[in-house]
Amino acid sequence: GAGVSQSPSNKVTEKGKDVELRCDPISGHTALYWYRQSLGQGLEFLIYFQGNSAPDKSGLPSDRFSAERTGGSVSTLTIQRTQQEDSAVYLCASSLPRRDKNIQYFGAGTRLSVL
Amino acid sequence: GIQVEQSPPDLILQEGANSTLRCNFSDSVNNLQWFHQNPWGQLINLFYIPSGTKQNGRLSATTVATERYSLLYISSSQTTDSGVYFCASPSSGSARQLTFGSGTQLTVLP
Repeated sequence: GAGVSQSPSNKVTEKGKDVELRCDPISGHTALYWYRQSLGQGLEFLIYFQGNSAPDKSGLPSDRFSAERTGGSVSTLTIQRTQQEDSAVYLCASSLPRRDKNIQYFGAGTRLSVL
Repeated sequence: GIQVEQSPPDLILQEGANSTLRCNFSDSVNNLQWFHQNPWGQLINLFYIPSGTKQNGRLSATTVATERYSLLYISSSQTTDSGVYFCASPSSGSARQLTFGSGTQLTVLP
């Protein structure tokens, strides 16, 4: 079946503009995650959605970052008033957690460049 | 949360050589995953291996949970094996999100 789909694959924006990144998880997966990969920082967790529960936002770096997941499926990560340090690859993953097993599958990412 | 250390940070091999990549954890691990990030940035699942040994073709992995480490073996390496290899585990016992190591950059020369 289809994997995790992210769009756009590349996004170039000017400092101060807002951007929206989209993630379409694997069908049937109840959990969805956003991570960020930047030079010098490695792969960092941003936010996690599980079903209808309140999301775990503990990894969001500032209040300029927000995310929502509509209908338990597609998710949008929004970055307001982008800064140059927001330049990174934003990766989305999904999974179907079981009691002792939770395998995450990743999309190809969105490469964000803030000029 | 858990700390994940990977070694070596860089590895250069001739095609056909074997290699071992290591992942050390600061705490007990579960839901441990190994990934290969290809040159296009895609994270490819290699193994889900919270304990024991698994093999998939030329790749195999072993996790010794009680000693808090995992090993990834690559045999008869090919140029297409080049890329960055990551291990990851949930940041704490109840967490779902993964904490990643800093990766091993593997270059296989023809």
